[in-house]
Amino acid sequence: AQKVTQAQTEISVVEKEDVTLDCVYETRDTTYYLFWYKQPPSGELVFLIRRNSFDEQNEISGRYSWNFQKSTSSFNFTITASQVVDSAVYFCALRSGSNYKLTFGKGTLLTVNP
Amino acid sequence: DGGITQSPKYLFRKEGQNVTLSCEQNLNHDAMYWYRQDPGQGLRLIYYSQIVNDFQKGDIAEGYSVSREKKESFPLTVTSAQKNPTAFYLCASSRQGWPLHFGNGTRLTVT
Repeated sequence: AQKVTQAQTEISVVEKEDVTLDCVYETRDTTYYLFWYKQPPSGELVFLIRRNSFDEQNEISGRYSWNFQKSTSSFNFTITASQVVDSAVYFCALRSGSNYKLTFGKGTLLTVNP
Repeated sequence: DGGITQSPKYLFRKEGQNVTLSCEQNLNHDAMYWYRQDPGQGLRLIYYSQIVNDFQKGDIAEGYSVSREKKESFPLTVTSAQKNPTAFYLCASSRQGWPLHFGNGTRLTVT
């Protein structure tokens, strides 16, 4: 069985603050993939990043960074200097082994206030 | 441009009627998926298909049916047996291990 937990249901910050979205996963497979998606108010899901279980390097893309730690089964997402346009629901997701099934967390609603 | 097309964007039905949601992709992806999204519930998997003429139940398949007769198409039928059909439905496709590409969704309202 695979499971993704996003304990933060809602986060509200003021523009330019840094914010970290937590993601904890569970799987028995040694090969797996982790993803983050963004869902703005318009509804479409936008892919942000994919990480496989053999690559624990942290990733930075502009104001976005991801911290993957197998020891704690976590794949946290940090937005630096947040902007109003970052307001969205963010989903963490897991795919294990050769299974095509992708399991999502319940999402974190991020509101960035001006 | 390649992508996933879901139609219609909004759909209204009377209780007791079956309704079919369309999903077409031209990305040449083998796998296709249907997810349901409810407020505070995140995305829950209804059905997925790894290849043509084959599909598997997801976590909440009861009251739904699918077919995969063509690689490009994966329609979802919401039957009258589905107790709470009003929701936002998202279709997606992928190659193995690669991220899912999502359509823009269909918002179904049943009254």
